Amino acid sequence: DTGVSQDPRHKITKRGQNVTFRCDPISEHNRLYWYRQTLGQGPEFLTYFQNEAQLEKSRLLSDRFSAERPKGSFSTLEIQRTEQGDSAMYLCASSPTMYSYEQYFGPGTRLTVT
Amino acid sequence: DAKTTQPTSMDCAEGRAANLPCNHSTISGNEYVYWYRQIHSQGPQYIIHGLKNNETNEMASLIITEDRKSSTLILPHATLRDTAVYYCIVMPGENAGNMLTFGGGTRLMVKP
Repeated sequence: DTGVSQDPRHKITKRGQNVTFRCDPISEHNRLYWYRQTLGQGPEFLTYFQNEAQLEKSRLLSDRFSAERPKGSFSTLEIQRTEQGDSAMYLCASSPTMYSYEQYFGPGTRLTVT
Repeated sequence: DAKTTQPTSMDCAEGRAANLPCNHSTISGNEYVYWYRQIHSQGPQYIIHGLKNNETNEMASLIITEDRKSSTLILPHATLRDTAVYYCIVMPGENAGNMLTFGGGTRLMVKP
């Protein structure tokens, strides 16, 4: 068990460009979550998946954001037409099932939009 | 979900107990108290959770008042590696199936 991994760890992009982040959850974890964390704040929920189904999306997830988990394993989070306000740490977490009491977080992807 | 209130920051001497308070005065009967922490440049890490009884594990102890309106996370012998932001979260049910709602947390600085 190598834990939740995220790639890349850091991304610098220019405003208006598209970016995609990847999250690999712990093997056989059914639930996968995305959070966003800006400097000095606690993480904010974005969306989560049960296997390949996206079950809930936050109002923070504007139309420029899309998340997928096509085979119920890894997940991608894409941001189109990035804005400076998208600069944040994007965190992924997984849990074995909906009945598990612990979410396991990855190290995050830090996005800087210039 | 009930809101939580935590002090913004606290200091603790290395080797001493760190007692981190959390107020959750509007907690409802089916809501559990969870604690996570986030060490600098890492993702949050689960510590402990409880409903109304005190709980202890290898990392910490959780003391919940009888009226459940507040709780205290206790790190019995704080080390420098315990320096982190500690989040108190209230969530319905004893499962992580739902989203976690983080507040501002308490920044604990353990000093030598």
